[in-house]
Amino acid sequence: AQKVTQAQTEISVVEKEDVTLDCVYETRDTTYYLFWYKQPPSGELVFLIRRNSFDEQNEISGRYSWNFQKSTSSFNFTITASQVVDSAVYFCALSEARDTGGFKTIFGAGTRLFVKA
Amino acid sequence: EAGVAQSPRYKIIEKRQSVAFWCNPISGHATLYWYQQILGQGPKLLIQFQNNGVVDDSQLPKDRFSAERLKGVDSTLKIQPAKLEDSAVYLCASSPRTNNEQFFGPGTRLTVL
Repeated sequence: AQKVTQAQTEISVVEKEDVTLDCVYETRDTTYYLFWYKQPPSGELVFLIRRNSFDEQNEISGRYSWNFQKSTSSFNFTITASQVVDSAVYFCALSEARDTGGFKTIFGAGTRLFVKA
Repeated sequence: EAGVAQSPRYKIIEKRQSVAFWCNPISGHATLYWYQQILGQGPKLLIQFQNNGVVDDSQLPKDRFSAERLKGVDSTLKIQPAKLEDSAVYLCASSPRTNNEQFFGPGTRLTVL
């Protein structure tokens, strides 16, 4: 069964600190996709990254980096030198193939990040 | 490129009333999703369309919720009659294919009194 767990409900850091948001997933499939989305106070979810299950290379994009480890079923997200504008709710999501074709996506419960100046 | 459009942005109704939400996805996106996001939770899929066909409506409370996507473009989601527990943000998203990233609209915040 599909499942995404974001155990950290809220994290509070001071600006310029590094912070890691955890994501653990469960899937029966060998082919799946993992995503991170950001939901700022305005409410609109914004796509950050997509990873397929066959690509375990870590990725860095500016201050953002992602660590994908199939062995532990984790897809963690690190923000380096956090800024106040990073304050948002961050969602991890998993897309798994449907029996009837196509993919089904489920979202974790989200981690609310507060970055204080 | 225009994003996903939704209207209205806010709606307040009394319980047992009806309400409808509208979504216009990104042009060319075959897949359209409606999610319900209750405060403090992640988005929960209500219904997924592939062009104008329903792919998944397993979590749609069909006794009160209905949705359609005419001509495989715009979509409407209706609640009739509304209950207090329907208070949430209703998000519409679209994607080119089902394993692609989704592009979300601003959402409609529904309050049922």
